[in-house]
Parts: sequence; C-alpha cells; structure tokens
Amino acid sequence: GAGVSQSPSNKVTEKGKDVELRCDPISGHTALYWYRQSLGQGLEFLIYFQGNSAPDKSGLPSDRFSAERTGGSVSTLTIQRTQQEDSAVYLCASSLAVTRGAFFGQGTRLTVV
Amino acid sequence: KQEVTQIPAALSVPEGENLVLNCSFTDSAIYNLQWFRQDPGKGLTSLLLIQSSQREQTSGRLNASLDKSSGRSTLYIAASQPGDSATYLCAVRLLGGGGGADGLTFGKGTHLIIQP
Repeated sequence: GAGVSQSPSNKVTEKGKDVELRCDPISGHTALYWYRQSLGQGLEFLIYFQGNSAPDKSGLPSDRFSAERTGGSVSTLTIQRTQQEDSAVYLCASSLAVTRGAFFGQGTRLTVV
Repeated sequence: KQEVTQIPAALSVPEGENLVLNCSFTDSAIYNLQWFRQDPGKGLTSLLLIQSSQREQTSGRLNASLDKSSGRSTLYIAASQPGDSATYLCAVRLLGGGGGADGLTFGKGTHLIIQP
C-alpha cells in the first residue's frame, strides 16, 4: 500500500480480555516498530523488527505484551489480559532501512473499560 | 541512554510570524534526526529527515538544522498559518547498539497553536 496501515482504528475492550492490533507496513520496508502513546505522554518504544533478525523486545512493558511479524511484512501486537493502564494509542512505523526515515500509521486507539 | 528534550512544551503565536522550535539530545552518536507533526487523534506525519552528515533540510516553509556536536536541532517555520497548529515531535536514531537503540527516541513534543 501507499502508507502504513493499522487496524482497527479504535478498539474498546473489557478489562481482562485479549486484543490484537494489526500493522501493514509499507511494501519493501524491512524495519517495523511499535510505539505506545498514552494521554499527555511522549512516545514509548515497544518492539522493533529488522528483516529476519530476532526482534528487539526491550520496550515491552510486561509479559502480557507480545508481537510477531509474519513473512517479514504484517505485524500483530497482542495484549493479553488487558488492564486499564493499557489504554493508549498504539502506533506502528516502518522504514526502508535504519538510516532512512520512519513512516507512521494512524494508530489504534485502545480503550480498556 | 539517549534523552531528547523539546523546548518550549507549548507555544502560541499570531498568524504570519516566523518561529523556531528546539530539540536537544544527549548522545551525539546518531544516524539521523527526524521532525514529525502530529494532529490531535492522528498518527505522525514525517516533515523532515536530516542525516548525521547534513547540516539542514528544507521543505517549503520548513527548515530544519542539525548541530550534532552540540546535540541540537531546530525547526524553523516561516510565515506561520493556522493550519500549522499541531504537536511537533523530534526523534533521533542512534547508531547501532541494540536495547531499543535502533529505534527512534522521541522528545515529548511542542504543542503549537497559530492564532488566526
């Protein structure tokens, strides 16, 4: 596609439920990032995929969070047993290479009630 | 650990003024620096990317400069318009190192309001 696509754009879920957020990066981009932006806060790095290398998971806040990237393209961020503090906008970005600019999707706004 | 600071946190100016947004970073070993714009409830839109070997980049009314040795970048907006109202974020990408360092480290942004 022309840009990074994220779905759903909005998600409301009950506390304790699992959610999956999807990211379709720009075709050919080998690097893919997930960030979280809480209300009034800056962007928080979550996880980074680069080609076929093992992902950098150093930003994941707890073991309830996981992400995978299939076939070097689409990525899914999964949050298990959601908590209210997980409410945030989850942003995905991709780049052609580490030295190139990053391009962001419109984000998924997650609300845990 | 790389830290990115943006000053001011908020700025409100009348339409037509030229303005400067500031970004500073603590670790000068960077690949590049990128300026983004974020409208309320939206994702980030890339404005300008400056590689570590470059001093500035220009796009329309926007000019971004980079002084890597002092750990500073500025975003200059000429002849501001109400449509420029948004949050402006700068982000630096560190030279390799793992631990999230291959990602972007963001400042908290400058919330800009251009008064009609």
